[in-house]
Order: sequence, then structure tokens, then C-alpha cells
Amino acid sequence: GQNIDQPTEMTATEGAIVQINCTYQTSGFNGLFWYQQHAGEAPTFLSYNVLDGLEEKGRFSSFLSRSKGYSYLLLKELQMKDSASYLCAVKDSNYQLIWGAGTKLIIKP
Amino acid sequence: IAGITQAPTSQILAAGRRMTLRCTQDMRHNAMYWYRQDLGLGLRLIHYSNTAGTTGKGEVPDGYSVSRANTDDFPLTLASAVPSQTSVYFCASSDKGADSTDTQYFGPGTRLTVL
Repeated sequence: GQNIDQPTEMTATEGAIVQINCTYQTSGFNGLFWYQQHAGEAPTFLSYNVLDGLEEKGRFSSFLSRSKGYSYLLLKELQMKDSASYLCAVKDSNYQLIWGAGTKLIIKP
Repeated sequence: IAGITQAPTSQILAAGRRMTLRCTQDMRHNAMYWYRQDLGLGLRLIHYSNTAGTTGKGEVPDGYSVSRANTDDFPLTLASAVPSQTSVYFCASSDKGADSTDTQYFGPGTRLTVL
């Protein structure tokens, strides 16, 4: 079967750096997405990786290794507003989007 | 502000009743999607539409139906609601079809409780 694994919950301190990992086993690969979802709100797009390497976008960066079936989302200079769930999703060979259950990130002052 | 709207925001429904969740987008996106989100699970695709006039089944289509009469609207109907359909429902859209790597954009969601 197809599977996306992420830690259920992580805690970090305001101003620090946190890395949220995502591993996947899917039938084929057509890109990996990261979304942010605040409690009670809609998921919002953060990043897309289809080639190996690091994509940087301000305080957020996303890394992909297709050979390892692995990605991470790196958040720098954490702010209280970064408290949210972070969803990893992979498009398989049929372009179906397979979603992880999300990682709840708690930021402490 | 351009985007996706959903209605109602929340609803409590008696089991056996029929319910239609509404979704409208004004971005002229070709593809639209309906997901459900349950605690501890990833988003699961219910139905999708690559373009007006066409629909397809997702991972969990049973008990749900959709129609796509025009580009903007994609209603989701529960013909006879059951408690297991209690969930948060998200509508999404993307510029290109489901068979692309295009980014999906989400509406604010409908929280549905079936008693």
C-alpha cells in the first residue's frame, strides 16, 4: 500500500529552528507538497519539490531525496504564529495526491 | 478576494437526511476536489472533477455524489447521511486537471456532524 509517515507532534521554542520529517512509500512519484494548516482552518500551500535538493522560501525550506523517499520541512526563526499542523503529500504515478496525517507543531515562548 | 467559498460553515444533521455541501470558486480553475479530514488521518479524496461536465471517484466515494454543471460550482451531496460521515469537508481547486502536478487551493471547510 501507499504510505506517508510524519511525526504526530513536535514542540519547539520561539526563535529556534525545527525540522519536520516526512517519509513516503508510493507507487511512483510526481512531486511532494507541504501545506500548513492552522487549527480550524484550511490547508495552505507552502512548497513543492519534484527534484532532489533544497528549495528555500524565506524562513521555510523544503528538502527532497527521491532515492530515500524522504523530505523535510525546515522552519527557521520560529514565531508563535507558526504553531500549526504541517501536512506532507505526494503525487503518485497516477497523479493521485496521497496525504500524511500531519505534524502538529507547538511553539513555546 | 478571489478564492473558494464553502457553505454551510457547519451543520448538525440527523441520520438519514439528505444534505448538499456547496463549493464555489472564482479563479476559473479547471479541476475541483472534495476531501474529508478526520482526526489522526490524512486528507482523503472523495470525488474530483477535471473539467466542467466530468467527475471521477476518489479514495472514499461511497455515500457521496457530485456534479459539475459549470466551472465555478462543485456541490457534494450526501443522499442519506450516516454517523460515519461526521467529518470536516474541504473543497479544493487547481488550475490544471487532477492528472497534473498543479498546486491545489483549499476552501475554508464545512464541519458536518451526523447524529
